[in-house]
Amino acid sequence: DSGVTQTPKHLITATGQRVTLRCSPRSGDLSVYWYQQSLDQGLQFLIQYYNGEERAKGNILERFSAQQFPDLHSELNLSSLELGDSALYFCASSPRPTSGGYEQYFGPGTRLTVT
Amino acid sequence: GQNIDQPTEMTATEGAIVQINCTYQTSGFNGLFWYQQHAGEAPTFLSYNVLDGLEEKGRFSSFLSRSKGYSYLLLKELQMKDSASYLCAVGNYGQNFVFGPGTRLSVLP
Repeated sequence: DSGVTQTPKHLITATGQRVTLRCSPRSGDLSVYWYQQSLDQGLQFLIQYYNGEERAKGNILERFSAQQFPDLHSELNLSSLELGDSALYFCASSPRPTSGGYEQYFGPGTRLTVT
Repeated sequence: GQNIDQPTEMTATEGAIVQINCTYQTSGFNGLFWYQQHAGEAPTFLSYNVLDGLEEKGRFSSFLSRSKGYSYLLLKELQMKDSASYLCAVGNYGQNFVFGPGTRLSVLP
């Protein structure tokens, strides 16, 4: 157990709909990352937040948005869903780097199926 | 940009040693990281390198050569439970973080 929690574990929805995925980082971690992993695809970095502020943006579609709240939990919003959005969505958190290294701890993921 | 290459699949025997290579073309990064991912599960952190050289962590070791754009993960005394995908990643804190495609390792009895 990494200490990162994600809800829901599974989500099935229809095309055109909007969903919200939730993530709580490990206690004390200020950074949250979101990743998408499609079937047989690698991990695609979407976005990173640090202490409530957006820090880095990867291959995140305009239909997707995220935020990190004052209590440090984060939400990823996916709208106008398409079949191709079906994937595993992971959240990860990391401690502030000390000696230049910083490992990320991944949550169990949310499996999104768009029908 | 950052492009990371890893062999797609590898097979090794229980008790043996296996080396998984990772090559990258990148304009610069702070750390190179290795993760293990079992099918359908979350990646788990194994090791990272900030400086060139070898980092040892139990049965796992990771090596980095920035001048050669090359890293490897060494797994010793292979066990059946080591059958998984191994992901190489590069990144800077507060910037984009890029994962390689992963190497699927099968450990045979």
